[in-house]
Amino acid sequence: SSELTQDPAVSVALGQTVRITCQGDSLRSYYASWYQQKPGQAPVLVIYGKNNRPSGIPDRFSGSSSGNTASLTITGAQAEDEADYYCNSRDSSGNPLFGGGTKLTVL
Amino acid sequence: QVQLVQSGAEVKKPGASVKVSCKASGYTFTGYYMHWVRQAPGQGLEWMGWINPNSGGTNYAQKFQGRVTMTRDTSISTAYMELSRLRSDDTAVYYCARAEKYCSGGSCYSMYYFDYWGQGTLVTVSS
Repeated sequence: SSELTQDPAVSVALGQTVRITCQGDSLRSYYASWYQQKPGQAPVLVIYGKNNRPSGIPDRFSGSSSGNTASLTITGAQAEDEADYYCNSRDSSGNPLFGGGTKLTVL
Repeated sequence: QVQLVQSGAEVKKPGASVKVSCKASGYTFTGYYMHWVRQAPGQGLEWMGWINPNSGGTNYAQKFQGRVTMTRDTSISTAYMELSRLRSDDTAVYYCARAEKYCSGGSCYSMYYFDYWGQGTLVTVSS
């Protein structure tokens, strides 16, 4: 299957830990990357590879994977983390694939 | 610093074509692949295809084959995406996004994640 599935919405209390998940067959073989997108802005890469953060991304963001599920964990969520989050991997042809996105609300 | 600067918003009629540009700076243009991703209003991200600025080679998502053309001008470090036979459901923000290149066994490939994105170009298709 060439699909990545995400929960449409997740909420977290300020300062607590939240996990956003992404499921898909391709994740058994390839790492997921994660993007944060705030309203009216372009996506920003927050996690890539096994668990790599681009320069400037806070260390409260981390990535992990098990079987067909990849996870983005935010440890100590901040108000500025409220955004849409998209996972991304590749299909069997090597072409990029995106999940449907998860809207994170910080309460 | 790496920057991808896209052309401005466009309004087109159904059946017309649109060409969006993406000017790169702060890195070696031919050293990375350039992808195009679109996002319809209130919807998720949709991959359209890539161009290898070094060779001019392209790879398009099946959905857009026959309607999309990706080109580049290395003299001005600019990539282009042209979409033809526009329909109302092509209304979206179109992004260019850079991907690393990796080479193995004499061939080079694009990574499937994107480290820098343009600011987006809104294309509205309306009669």
